[in-house]
Amino acid sequence: NAGVTQTPKFQVLKTGQSMTLQCAQDMNHNSMYWYRQDPGMGLRLIYYSASEGTTDKGEVPNGYNVSRLNKREFSLRLESAAPSQTSVYFCASSESVTNTFGSGTRLTVV
Amino acid sequence: EDQVTQSPEALRLQEGESSSLNCSYTVSGLRGLFWYRQDPGKGPEFLFTLYSAGEEKEKERLKATLTKKESFLHITAPKPEDSATYLCAVPAGNNRKLIWGLGTSLAVNP
Repeated sequence: NAGVTQTPKFQVLKTGQSMTLQCAQDMNHNSMYWYRQDPGMGLRLIYYSASEGTTDKGEVPNGYNVSRLNKREFSLRLESAAPSQTSVYFCASSESVTNTFGSGTRLTVV
Repeated sequence: EDQVTQSPEALRLQEGESSSLNCSYTVSGLRGLFWYRQDPGKGPEFLFTLYSAGEEKEKERLKATLTKKESFLHITAPKPEDSATYLCAVPAGNNRKLIWGLGTSLAVNP
């Protein structure tokens, strides 16, 4: 059972570079989420998608864009990376509210 | 404003020394409280959902309880493999989003 798969696991970017974090789930869940986790700040919601074709802003959406490509896939794009976006990023999916998480992407922006 | 506060921030126990973690919440109309476990370098893993005051759930050495203002995660005779960060969360807004506490980092020494 793969569950939620995130790629890449690690990434180092230079300030101003762009990249896309990929997420796929194989549980046929309708909802998908992108979080960032920082020391002392906890898990904060960046964007979520309640169903295929819809996306909504979370608590900290600035500097990010998302695409719900299909029911399985939900990608997070950083158009122009900034050091403040150094964080661990988690993708999650759910059918109700209980989130199932991927293993995370550790992103460093230098 | 909806809020979740966890205490203590960190807890160190000897193997076999029972204790409790606290999660207090301020939400308008509780629609569930979730406990997760997070190991270093991994995504949070779902443990329990509690829906109403007085409800209890158990899993191995863990028991979660809920009152109208807070939840406790009781750890009975912990083992070193119980070492992890324990997170609690409550649904907010349109029920698709979770508000997360900062977690309690538990270390169990052999």
